[in-house]
Amino acid sequence: DAGVTQSPTHLIKTRGQQVTLRCSPISGHKSVSWYQQVLGQGPQFIFQYYEKEERGRGNFPDRFSARQFPNYSSELNVNALLLGDSALYLCASSSRTSGVGDTQYFGPGTRLTVL
Amino acid sequence: AQTVTQSQPEMSVQEAETVTLSCTYDTSESNYYLFWYKQPPSRQMILVIRQEAYKQQNATENRFSVNFQKAAKSFSLKISDSQLGDTAMYFCAFGDNAGNMLTFGGGTRLMVKP
Repeated sequence: DAGVTQSPTHLIKTRGQQVTLRCSPISGHKSVSWYQQVLGQGPQFIFQYYEKEERGRGNFPDRFSARQFPNYSSELNVNALLLGDSALYLCASSSRTSGVGDTQYFGPGTRLTVL
Repeated sequence: AQTVTQSQPEMSVQEAETVTLSCTYDTSESNYYLFWYKQPPSRQMILVIRQEAYKQQNATENRFSVNFQKAAKSFSLKISDSQLGDTAMYFCAFGDNAGNMLTFGGGTRLMVKP
């Protein structure tokens, strides 16, 4: 079975621009989470979506938004890019069959560079 | 809010030897989940092992095992018979009971030397 997939692999943008990152979960998984990993640090939670509804939000500004589609894929949008948004953006999926303690499986990430 | 601390930024070990990576966490919850993830230079985050807080028995997965001390809020990872392919960043992560998010530590860079 295919794992979590993300696109694009790399992205270069300039300050002030907008970016959309995409994620497809493991088949059968209904929950998608997004994390930001700045170089040299651990990932930071941004959002979680389950059944197309937002189930969790981390401490990120409103410039960050996301949505989940009927096929459970997801998009992360970042507006008005800042230099500090340069990071690896990780998507993770889980089955949430029980809703608690589900293991999250990660995709390869999208490397965003803001110039 | 939960916090996760990994006090060893870098560690090295000789091939075939054993190494232990440390992790401590702080939470007021009684039921939660702990994870170790591995992130090689390819940057794909890979699950190594998982522990449920309500289980007293320490989790094991082949060469990987944990020492879970709930009262001390400690969750260390032991890698036995280290292999060159174990070279990676290792992250300890806390999962809340709602299953909404993972809180990660800052990571430990492990180098396995031949």
